[in-house]
Amino acid sequence: GAVVSQHPSRVICKSGTSVKIECRSLDFQATTMFWYRQFPKQSLMLMATSNEGSKATYEQGVEKDKFLINHASLTLSTLTVTSAHPEDSSFYICSASAPGDSNQPQHFGDGTRLSIL
Amino acid sequence: LAKTTQPISMDSYEGQEVNITCSHNNIATNDYITWYQQFPSQGPRFIIQGYKTKVTNEVASLFIPADRKSSTLSLPRVSLSDTAVYYCLVESNGRGGADGLTFGKGTHLIIQP
Repeated sequence: GAVVSQHPSRVICKSGTSVKIECRSLDFQATTMFWYRQFPKQSLMLMATSNEGSKATYEQGVEKDKFLINHASLTLSTLTVTSAHPEDSSFYICSASAPGDSNQPQHFGDGTRLSIL
Repeated sequence: LAKTTQPISMDSYEGQEVNITCSHNNIATNDYITWYQQFPSQGPRFIIQGYKTKVTNEVASLFIPADRKSSTLSLPRVSLSDTAVYYCLVESNGRGGADGLTFGKGTHLIIQP
């Protein structure tokens, strides 16, 4: 089945550091990938849609200059949290759907736990 | 976007059948119903998807009545490892590949020995 890999699984860094998270589709090409954020004991919140070869689309309230998204190939999207602060600490998850019939389900990475000290 | 409503939590015991019902009163004609499972500190995992009537796979069954305003995820003979959060989502035709998903609060299922 379709596999989405996310790296790193956990990051701990100092305030002010920029952190890059990678999302790869291992056995399929994904023109679109999605980035979510999940706070403890809460549901997933869609942050942005990553489009291969074009600019990402951000959800309302998500700062595009804070969360930089690059989707340079059909198998890789990256999310960079710039100048991270403690309030950016969260669980970040990416997803993609394999090409095919219109109702292909989303396949999720295993998430990245970001902790800003 | 069709809003979904499901119980916040449920408890059951090993070996029992568990049914989790989700309401989606304003589901549109082109919408599909998808269920995901999430363990702590992991991404959601696809369980099952359906449009109407009944769908069954190796891990679950999905029952959708004729009016499609609700759906029931059925987990046969649960084990401790089925303790997780289960999300019911409504996805429009073609939106699975073009739009991100709007997650509700999910149902926290706790299985006891």
